[in-house]
Amino acid sequence: GQQLNQSPQSMFIQEGEDVSMNCTSSSIFNTWLWYKQEPGEGPVLLIALYKAGELTSNGRLTAQFGITRKDSFLNISASIPSDVGIYFCAGLISNFGNEKLTFGTGTRLTIIP
Amino acid sequence: EPEVTQTPSHQVTQMGQEVILRCVPISNHLYFYWYRQILGQKVEFLVSFYNNEISEKSEIFDDQFSVERPDGSNFTLKIRSTKLEDSAMYFCASKSHNQPQHFGDGTRLSIL
Repeated sequence: GQQLNQSPQSMFIQEGEDVSMNCTSSSIFNTWLWYKQEPGEGPVLLIALYKAGELTSNGRLTAQFGITRKDSFLNISASIPSDVGIYFCAGLISNFGNEKLTFGTGTRLTIIP
Repeated sequence: EPEVTQTPSHQVTQMGQEVILRCVPISNHLYFYWYRQILGQKVEFLVSFYNNEISEKSEIFDDQFSVERPDGSNFTLKIRSTKLEDSAMYFCASKSHNQPQHFGDGTRLSIL
């Protein structure tokens, strides 16, 4: 089946630092999504990318849809304590409105005060 | 903002028992999904549901699993005879056409 590999697996950074994480796949996806998950909660959508090469921002978050359609990255600028959590990329192939998300392995972000 | 709600938040069940996990999707959504996440692992697709029928299911979704939309608001996942390896977080998601999926906060299923 399709596999999405995220790197790094975990990050320990100082508050105020920038964060960069990426996601690669052996398969092409039509849509890339980035979700954040906090303990005891479900994934919350951060950014959705619909076109190869697309660069999209949401506040301090920026994500890009790779031109090969097999990768994506997420950057967080000037990290703050509430950025702590697990970040998942997810790829999607949509077929006449039906779709399933294939999730990446996750990047756990820890902020050191 | 409308939310996907799931109940219960935690379900503890004896192995071999049936369990029903409940979800109330966002009201104008038409596509419904169940995913599961084993502790410490990634989220995995189980099943998608549209127009009162299953659209797609994964290998995980075997004969022990079933889904139902019994009325206009609920979407349920039933596991007929639970196994220890069914212990996981189960997430419901819903979406409208051409919009991303929205997830509930999950039900933690613990099989003893």
